[in-house]
Amino acid sequence: EIVMTQSPATLSVSPGERATLSCRASQSVSSNLAWYQRKPGQAPRLLIYGASTRANGIPARFSGSGSGTEFTLTISSPQSEDFAVYYCQQYNDWYTFGQGTKLEIK
Amino acid sequence: EVQLVESGGGLVQPGGSLRLSCAASGFSFRSSWMQWVRQAPGKGLVWLSRINTDGSNTDYADSVKGRFTISRDNAKNTLYLQMNTLRAEDTAVYFCAVGTNWFDPWGQGSLVTVSS
Repeated sequence: EIVMTQSPATLSVSPGERATLSCRASQSVSSNLAWYQRKPGQAPRLLIYGASTRANGIPARFSGSGSGTEFTLTISSPQSEDFAVYYCQQYNDWYTFGQGTKLEIK
Repeated sequence: EVQLVESGGGLVQPGGSLRLSCAASGFSFRSSWMQWVRQAPGKGLVWLSRINTDGSNTDYADSVKGRFTISRDNAKNTLYLQMNTLRAEDTAVYFCAVGTNWFDPWGQGSLVTVSS
């Protein structure tokens, strides 16, 4: 099973301050990686697929990069509604998710 | 509007059974692969099962293989998850989702609590 490791577990930033979230795969997943946003009581929301393609309706402040085993989700200027938990998911070999990064307001 | 609505969750005793439903609307359900994912309290997301468009092909995570059964009724635009021999560690919010690789969209989830 491919293990996905996200860091940090919690990231504290001020609104408008760039946020960089990391995701590492235990073996190469090529570009078969997605990012999701999860807020309490809401359905997970797809942000990025193919490591760097924004899903429909996702603001341009969200961007994804990386390939192989190292991936990054960047939120260029987080708004109040962006403070949530973010998960990466590989779909190269079945499906596994990272444990999540909580983005909180500093 | 694309919508997925899960139902059927609740409190069940260890060893018991429960069937979750996921009612789909606003998209071509019969053309879509469907997934079940769960999230235990304080834990991350875990993939459970998938089913192809006509229900002829199903796959399961090792943790639920032999206990859970995924199925679908394309005439009713509904996805199911039959859960048997439930354990305390099956306590979680269960989500249905659309997709073959990435999952989009997801339902809001149905809480299953396994406790005596």
